[in-house]
Amino acid sequence: DVKVTQSSRYLVKRTGEKVFLECVQDMDHENMFWYRQDPGLGLRLIYFSYDVKMKEKGDIPEGYSVSREKKERFSLILESASTNQTSMYLCASRNGGGAGYEQYFGPGTRLTVT
Amino acid sequence: AQSVTQLDSQVPVFEEAPVELRCNYSSSVSVYLFWYVQYPNQGLQLLLKYLSGSTLVKGINGFEAEFNKSQTSFHLRKPSVHISDTAEYFCAVRKNTGNQFYFGTGTSLTVIP
Repeated sequence: DVKVTQSSRYLVKRTGEKVFLECVQDMDHENMFWYRQDPGLGLRLIYFSYDVKMKEKGDIPEGYSVSREKKERFSLILESASTNQTSMYLCASRNGGGAGYEQYFGPGTRLTVT
Repeated sequence: AQSVTQLDSQVPVFEEAPVELRCNYSSSVSVYLFWYVQYPNQGLQLLLKYLSGSTLVKGINGFEAEFNKSQTSFHLRKPSVHISDTAEYFCAVRKNTGNQFYFGTGTSLTVIP
């Protein structure tokens, strides 16, 4: 089974702090994604990566950056956390070889910024 | 740009009754279609997907969905729901080119005993 893990289930940070959210997948997938999930808005794509050191902006990249130094790990960075970044963050991975392959999701990190 | 519309944000239904969760999409090109389920405090897991071929797709837990190209719809159905089906359901679309998935805003299904 594909396993996608996220470093924390719950995180509380203060405004202005630098925050790192880590995601690791164990299936050698090329593609990795970061979403945020908010009530009534569904999942919105922040960034994705289709290979090591490659990244593409999604629909809402402002205030975020990412890092992918190794194939299995994709990090989301909040350079200076703000209260409007309080949300559920979901990481996903996908095999890039086939057009119809689905995404596999981690359990999510619920981030609260106070 | 792609868009995915889930018209019903909340659907209450009695146990053992049938249910349909609606999904419509807009796209000028061929797409792949997915339904995901999210149980409380968990990530999303795949229920079923349509890639090509038969328009009726069967998934896990007794769910099925029908792709209707003319109506650009991919509605999810189950003939008899259980309490354990209470969850959030997301429809997603991916173009046949590119890597990005587009998700609907979700439908919260509540099964009432």
